[in-house]
Amino acid sequence: GAVVSQHPSRVICKSGTSVKIECRSLDFQATTMFWYRQFPKQSLMLMATSNEGSKATYEQGVEKDKFLINHASLTLSTLTVTSAHPEDSSFYICSVRGTQGSTDTQYFGPGTRLTVL
Amino acid sequence: AQSVTQPDIHITVSEGASLELRCNYSYGATPYLFWYVQSPGQGLQLLLKYFSGDTLVQGIKGFEAEFKRSQSSFNLRKPSVHWSDAAEYFCAVNAGNNRKLIWGLGTSLAVNP
Repeated sequence: GAVVSQHPSRVICKSGTSVKIECRSLDFQATTMFWYRQFPKQSLMLMATSNEGSKATYEQGVEKDKFLINHASLTLSTLTVTSAHPEDSSFYICSVRGTQGSTDTQYFGPGTRLTVL
Repeated sequence: AQSVTQPDIHITVSEGASLELRCNYSYGATPYLFWYVQSPGQGLQLLLKYFSGDTLVQGIKGFEAEFKRSQSSFNLRKPSVHWSDAAEYFCAVNAGNNRKLIWGLGTSLAVNP
């Protein structure tokens, strides 16, 4: 399967600041990347789907102006949490789906733990 | 609407015992089914998947799952559990043309020594 990295793995920021999280597909051309949010002891909530070179498609209830997603290349997508507030504290996970092999399998990054003070 | 149900929120087994984690789905067409495992504070690792063909699929770490269309189930099994298997297990179904994953709520597995 694909190897996916996320950076940073952990970030603490002050309320009102913006935080950028990177998701990289290290050995896989990721035409599609997904961003998820996971609350403690809960399942994954899909936030948005991004296709390389296109605008992201956000799920209902997810504010696109607050969670900015850029998928500029086949190996990199970024999620920027703008004007972060304590309620944005969560575990954010990206996944990739590529063009080679099975196109219906998602491979996940290790996640980024965001804490907003 | 598509849905995935994992009836067991939490399961505890003894090391060396067998394991079965249940997953039921609701989906109109032939589903693509997945099991993922998540260790504490980690992302998700694909254990196995079913697209078509043999309904008994083998995965990594000694896991297997069986697709039963008549029961709309895709249960995960392991004959002998190791302490390192303690984790959260998620079942998911690939639904629709946009290929989003529909997730179960997960089953937390604890392993007693």
